[in-house]
Amino acid sequence: DIVLTQSPVLAVSLGQRATISCRASQSVSISSINLMHWYQQKPGQQPKLLIYRASNLASGIPARFSGSGSGTDFTLTIDPVQADDIAAYYCQQSRESPNTFGAGTKLELK
Amino acid sequence: EVQLVESGGGLVQPGRSLKLSCAASGFTFSNYYMAWVRQAPKKGLEWVATISTSGSRTYYPDSVKGRFTISRDNAKSSLYLQMNSLKSEDTATYYCARLDYGGYAYFDYWGQGVMVTVSS
Repeated sequence: DIVLTQSPVLAVSLGQRATISCRASQSVSISSINLMHWYQQKPGQQPKLLIYRASNLASGIPARFSGSGSGTDFTLTIDPVQADDIAAYYCQQSRESPNTFGAGTKLELK
Repeated sequence: EVQLVESGGGLVQPGRSLKLSCAASGFTFSNYYMAWVRQAPKKGLEWVATISTSGSRTYYPDSVKGRFTISRDNAKSSLYLQMNSLKSEDTATYYCARLDYGGYAYFDYWGQGVMVTVSS
């Protein structure tokens, strides 16, 4: 299985930039298609799709969210961080079955 | 508006069975692959099962293969998960999720989830 590694916690100040990383144990890209996706989950709520195929903003998601990366290294950026962004963030790969998720990064206020 | 509403969760003893349901609305259900994803308490997300549009193809991870069965009724816009031989490690919130139309296998809409507790 492809293992996705995320840092457990990231502390940021409101108005600053948050950079959340996800590293895959093997490439999740096919040619120019990066099969890495990002979700936000607030406490007590279901996950919500933020970014698909590494860099595409999902419908209704604010432009302060962006994604980048290819191969094995991917990044979710929130700039600037707002209070409503305090949540857990998960990456997910669909390059190989089984689809796997990272363990999540909790975004906390500094 | 896309809506996915799960039901059927609860407390069940180890070794017993439980069937979850998901009622879909706001989109043409029969056009989309559907899936179940679970989340153990205070843990991360784990994909559990996927079903094709017609229901003819199903996919599972090794952790549930042979014990769980995903199915669908397109006439009722409903998705199901039959869970047999339940174990304590199956305790989780189970989410019904829609897979993207383009075939890239990301989950673009999620239900609110239903809790399953396996305990004696």
